[in-house]
Amino acid sequence: AQTVTQSQPEMSVQEAETVTLSCTYDTSESDYYLFWYKQPPSRQMILVIRQEAYKQQNATENRFSVNFQKAAKSFSLKISDSQLGDAAMYFCAYRSVPIKIIFGKGTRLHILP
Amino acid sequence: DTEVTQTPKHLVMGMTNKKSLKCEQHMGHRAMYWYKQKAKKPPELMFVYSYEKLSINESVPSRFSPECPNSSLLNLHLHALQPEDSALYLCASSRGNSNQPQHFGDGTRLSIL
Repeated sequence: AQTVTQSQPEMSVQEAETVTLSCTYDTSESDYYLFWYKQPPSRQMILVIRQEAYKQQNATENRFSVNFQKAAKSFSLKISDSQLGDAAMYFCAYRSVPIKIIFGKGTRLHILP
Repeated sequence: DTEVTQTPKHLVMGMTNKKSLKCEQHMGHRAMYWYKQKAKKPPELMFVYSYEKLSINESVPSRFSPECPNSSLLNLHLHALQPEDSALYLCASSRGNSNQPQHFGDGTRLSIL
């Protein structure tokens, strides 16, 4: 069975600093996709970044980038120049074909002014 | 503004009531999803509709009955719910391909008395 593990329930980072959120997963599938979603207290889940497993290049979206290590089944999220608006719960998510969608337990990120 | 609209935002109902949650999107997405999210937990997939046909039912109790009247609408009919069914119910949509991200609504906060 597929699993997604986020080992950091909470993290704090100083504003303008860089923080890395970790995510590991386990699967025997070869065709899958990985996502990071952000859920602020206002509760709407928003996509941060996605990675196709067949792509070796790490995805980047502005201040957000991933370190995808397929062999190690690791998919960490790096947030650069942290901003107050980045404070939220961050979920790592796995999706395979046929459909199997699994979210990690989440990491609560606090931004310190 | 969210592109996936869920109504109502809050719902309180008794265990003998019948109610429905509604979800609407006008992005032309052909896959729609229902999730259940308990406080401080990740979303748990309940149902997936693909091209208006139910493709995934994650062993959800029959007191939850999904319906997809057309490609833009998704309903979740509720009947004889239990107190443990109190949660945030999230609707999401996607283009249908596995690498496409899901767009989430704000959710319906459901409380069962």
